[in-house]
Amino acid sequence: GENVEQHPSTLSVQEGDSAVIKCTYSDSASNYFPWYKQELGKGPQLIIDIRSNVGEKKDQRIAVTLNKTAKHFSLHITETQPEDSAVYFCAALGHKLSFGAGTTVTVRA
Amino acid sequence: NAGVMQNPRHLVRRRGQEARLRCSPMKGHSHVYWYRQLPEEGLKFMVYLQKENIIDESGMPKERFSAEFPKEGPSILRIQQVVRGDSAAYFCASSPDEELFFGSGTQLSVL
Repeated sequence: GENVEQHPSTLSVQEGDSAVIKCTYSDSASNYFPWYKQELGKGPQLIIDIRSNVGEKKDQRIAVTLNKTAKHFSLHITETQPEDSAVYFCAALGHKLSFGAGTTVTVRA
Repeated sequence: NAGVMQNPRHLVRRRGQEARLRCSPMKGHSHVYWYRQLPEEGLKFMVYLQKENIIDESGMPKERFSAEFPKEGPSILRIQQVVRGDSAAYFCASSPDEELFFGSGTQLSVL
């Protein structure tokens, strides 16, 4: 089955700086890669996604890149704000949606 | 259009009791997924259901756990004879196709 690895597990950045989270996947048939943000006591919320026919997608301060050859994809958050502090999960859809272990992002004011 | 509704939010059971977790998908969504999350860990797939059918239960323990998604009513995740190791947050997600929408989860605590 699909195996998704996510790094780093924790990330602390100064407000205004950028944050980058990287994921790799194993199933070359995976074709949909969403990113979720989970705040304390809440369910994961989809923040952005990318499909295998696209290399990059941007939505305001958030961007995702996908390298199908290398089987890795990344989340980039620019101009970080305190409200960006949360746990972020990458996922890959092959036969089913498999998640990375998560990255705890802390934005220091 | 209400989001995915899970209840209860918190459930406390003693060892050996049964736990029933409910999930009402978003209107128009025919796919339901259950995930389990331990503290400071990722989401582990348990089961994928469509109306009246279990599509993939490869993540479900073979014993004590069962899931259903009847023609009418919510999806139910049932855990019989709970043990302390079952304590976790259980999230349900519904989907019209690929994009998953998650509920707020049920936090199960086994005493």
